[in-house]
Amino acid sequence: EVQLVESGGGLVEPGGSLRLSCAASGFTFSNAWMSWVRQAPGKGLEWVGRIKSKTDGGTTDYAAPVKGTFTISRDDSKNTLYLQMNSLKTEDTAVYYCTKVGHIVYWGQGTLVTVSS
Amino acid sequence: QLVLTQSPSASASLGASVKLTCTLSSGHSSYAIAWHQQQPEKGPRYLMKLNSDGSHSKGDGIPDRFSGSSSGAERYLTISSLQSEDEADYYCQTWGTGIHVFGTGTKVTVL
Repeated sequence: EVQLVESGGGLVEPGGSLRLSCAASGFTFSNAWMSWVRQAPGKGLEWVGRIKSKTDGGTTDYAAPVKGTFTISRDDSKNTLYLQMNSLKTEDTAVYYCTKVGHIVYWGQGTLVTVSS
Repeated sequence: QLVLTQSPSASASLGASVKLTCTLSSGHSSYAIAWHQQQPEKGPRYLMKLNSDGSHSKGDGIPDRFSGSSSGAERYLTISSLQSEDEADYYCQTWGTGIHVFGTGTKVTVL
């Protein structure tokens, strides 16, 4: 069974940093393309970015609002996906979901990030 | 620019059918999409991938009541025999080189 479990969310002040993790199991993580999607309170889904598998180059792409401030990385030895978020703004407040991209998409349960002073 | 357009809301009676539409922007009519369901206070759930020819592949455990079809730049999700648990937000998603896009979602109300 595919499982994606996010962690690392919490309250952070504007301008601060936070790193989210996503622990994956039930599939060959190293072969998977993974992405992060967020949802601000009461709003729709917003794609954050994606990382390819290392065999496909391991490259990343980001949505325009987070390019240059968010970084996606992966540790295939730990079956874990990361989202490093720097220079956080109040508008980054959202539930962050990790997803496995591919023929079938799998979603994690999400972790809440609140950016507030 | 890659954009998906969805109606904000739809409704139908318990046991009836509802057909949701997701429209791809000009020049992108050949793109595949995915449909996702988000029930109240829950995380999203993948329903299916839908190709331009109408072929689709569903996620694990998705009932036969959910089906997809395509016509030109439009992608459809039909929910038959509506159940109370189908009351949810439905999002379409597509992807291009280096970008993924979500529609704004359609809220389905079961009357």
